[in-house]
Amino acid sequence: DTGVSQDPRHKITKRGQNVTFRCDPISEHNRLYWYRQTLGQGPEFLTYFQNEAQLEKSRLLSDRFSAERPKGSFSTLEIQRTEQGDSAMYLCASSLSWDRGLREAFFGQGTRLTVV
Amino acid sequence: AQTVTQSQPEMSVQEAETVTLSCTYDTSESDYYLFWYKQPPSRQMILVIRQEAYKQQNATENRFSVNFQKAAKSFSLKISDSQLGDAAMYFCAYRRNNNDMRFGAGTRLTVKP
Repeated sequence: DTGVSQDPRHKITKRGQNVTFRCDPISEHNRLYWYRQTLGQGPEFLTYFQNEAQLEKSRLLSDRFSAERPKGSFSTLEIQRTEQGDSAMYLCASSLSWDRGLREAFFGQGTRLTVV
Repeated sequence: AQTVTQSQPEMSVQEAETVTLSCTYDTSESDYYLFWYKQPPSRQMILVIRQEAYKQQNATENRFSVNFQKAAKSFSLKISDSQLGDAAMYFCAYRRNNNDMRFGAGTRLTVKP
């Protein structure tokens, strides 16, 4: 296992189009997180899963955003009707849950979305 | 709600010198974890060091150490013998129990040769 993998690395889309990103976490990690990072800022929390259950969603996650983790392994983040304000780096991270002893999250390299 | 504040948007250090990055956080919890992550330009975020709130002893990892002041809710990172490869954005992060991590806005560290 080489770590958290995200695909694609870069995505350019026209305003109004739908986009979908994929994240493959470290295989034994039951927690998976999505963050959004704009230039010069820290990651902002969007949502997280424990196994296949989506446990929390940020208010940043508007109705146009949806995330899934259908089998508790990989996850997808879809943005519908993209807007220029959606342009950002979308980061995925994974970890073990608190009760399973690991505290830090491991990050992927991110998907950079540009909406033109 | 928990918030993490990094008051230094940019810092600069001479190679081989020591630099300290500041972080404060706001929480009413007693059990939590604090982290410093490093994000080099165009590269992924990697963990530098972590601190358990229940431990009084400050964490150290080679040239990296923290000064954890629980009562003051302060968590600074000290980088000793700075190297050119230390140049990056540094993010302070907080995690409570079984919840997600919350990040500060980051400090951009420049290392001058």
